[in-house]
Amino acid sequence: QVQFVQSGAEVKKPGASVRVSCKASGYTFTTYAIHWVRQAPGQRLEWVGWISPDNGNTRYSENFQGRISFTRDTSASEVFLELTSLRSEDTAVYYCARIRDTSGFKFLGFWGQGTLVTVSS
Amino acid sequence: DIVMTQSPDSLAVSLGERATINCRSSHSVLYSSTNKNYLAWYQQKPGQPPKLLIFWASTRESGVPDRFSGSGSETDFTLTISSLQAEDVAVYYCQQYYSTPITFGQGTRLEVK
Repeated sequence: QVQFVQSGAEVKKPGASVRVSCKASGYTFTTYAIHWVRQAPGQRLEWVGWISPDNGNTRYSENFQGRISFTRDTSASEVFLELTSLRSEDTAVYYCARIRDTSGFKFLGFWGQGTLVTVSS
Repeated sequence: DIVMTQSPDSLAVSLGERATINCRSSHSVLYSSTNKNYLAWYQQKPGQPPKLLIFWASTRESGVPDRFSGSGSETDFTLTISSLQAEDVAVYYCQQYYSTPITFGQGTRLEVK
């Protein structure tokens, strides 16, 4: 079965960087783009971007203004999110997710368990 | 960006009664060439990731009970739970995938009255 396992919670100071991992299993890793979605406390879900594990292509939300980057390790079926210059507003649960099927349409059928990133001085 | 607005923000319904959640998009999400509405619904329980319930506005995901149904077109959509069960207590989100960035509604919290 399709499964995503994310790295554990992080506590960071303002201005620092954070790296979150997402390990996929149960399907051919390179077939589907991996999306990242975050959820700040009491806020709506916010799309962060996606990475294609096949060729490493990425698309980022404009809201992150160059602070976000995605990478992948195809040998380990793992993708990584790195967010730099952290601010208190970046405190959120970060989810990796995959589209439901090969149609390519962006409704997200499979989700990781989430990683809480707390930014606090 | 397409803005998704849900109503109400919270809702309390008695067990066995109908629950109705609305979602409005700032731009039509009906793609004319396919005649499909690019709208999904998710359920999120505390401490869990969202779970896909419905896509194409009205297609139930496999394994989702048939008491959940979606309807609507263009800019106005509805998620209906025909007979509320205790396990349906959750926050529900709509999402458009018509254009990038994909965007979500603010969520509707559903509770038992």
